[in-house]
Amino acid sequence: QSVLTQPPSASGTPGQRVTISCSGSSSNIGSNFVCWYQQLPGTAPTLLIYRNNQRPSGVPDRFSGSKSGTSASLAINGLRSEDEADYYCAAWDDRLSGHYVFGTGTKVTVL
Amino acid sequence: QVTLKESGPVVLKPTETLTLTCTVSGFSLSNVRMAVSWIRQPPGKALEWLAHILSNDEKSYSPSLRRRLTISKDTSKSQVVLSMINVDPLDSATYYCARIPDYGEYVIDYWGQGTLVTVSS
Repeated sequence: QSVLTQPPSASGTPGQRVTISCSGSSSNIGSNFVCWYQQLPGTAPTLLIYRNNQRPSGVPDRFSGSKSGTSASLAINGLRSEDEADYYCAAWDDRLSGHYVFGTGTKVTVL
Repeated sequence: QVTLKESGPVVLKPTETLTLTCTVSGFSLSNVRMAVSWIRQPPGKALEWLAHILSNDEKSYSPSLRRRLTISKDTSKSQVVLSMINVDPLDSATYYCARIPDYGEYVIDYWGQGTLVTVSS
């Protein structure tokens, strides 16, 4: 039931740059802020990016977010082994009285 | 520090009602603009937002599950309760509760550890 579409997987070698796309619509990404959450294996998700491109304290500046129109993207620069995780975009959706929507999720593998 | 902890049944049968409790600490459910939400994740699948309740007691539900969910809170006990009627094996998932410190800008800053619920006959 995810209305935000992400590629199922992405990969890179240590030190490389990896980008993950998130495609939505005018009712969600097009009119609201985007967040990104990182989910390490076997753990609960944690906040990675908020307000499209802001990092909470403690998140390395290797992680960056951007948004354009109804799409958003997450970039990981200088990929490290500990970045191997699932990544989810999310945004508020104004339709149907409003609800929060997550992306389909992207598994990042460090080769 | 801020913590959220989910509790509830581990296993239940189809058609039963699932009741989950989220007990929070380190903040108050009456804090202005605060919200607590429930999110679930079937094994190997994506996150799915279920519902939230605001500090002013307003509630929102997933459009696809609205008819089966009820969310409520007891501020004095620091608890948020989610009920789901008529469960099905497809409702088997890890259920998380999470905090949104300002529902005007929907950002989940703390998550519980999650509780795995299995629906099986």
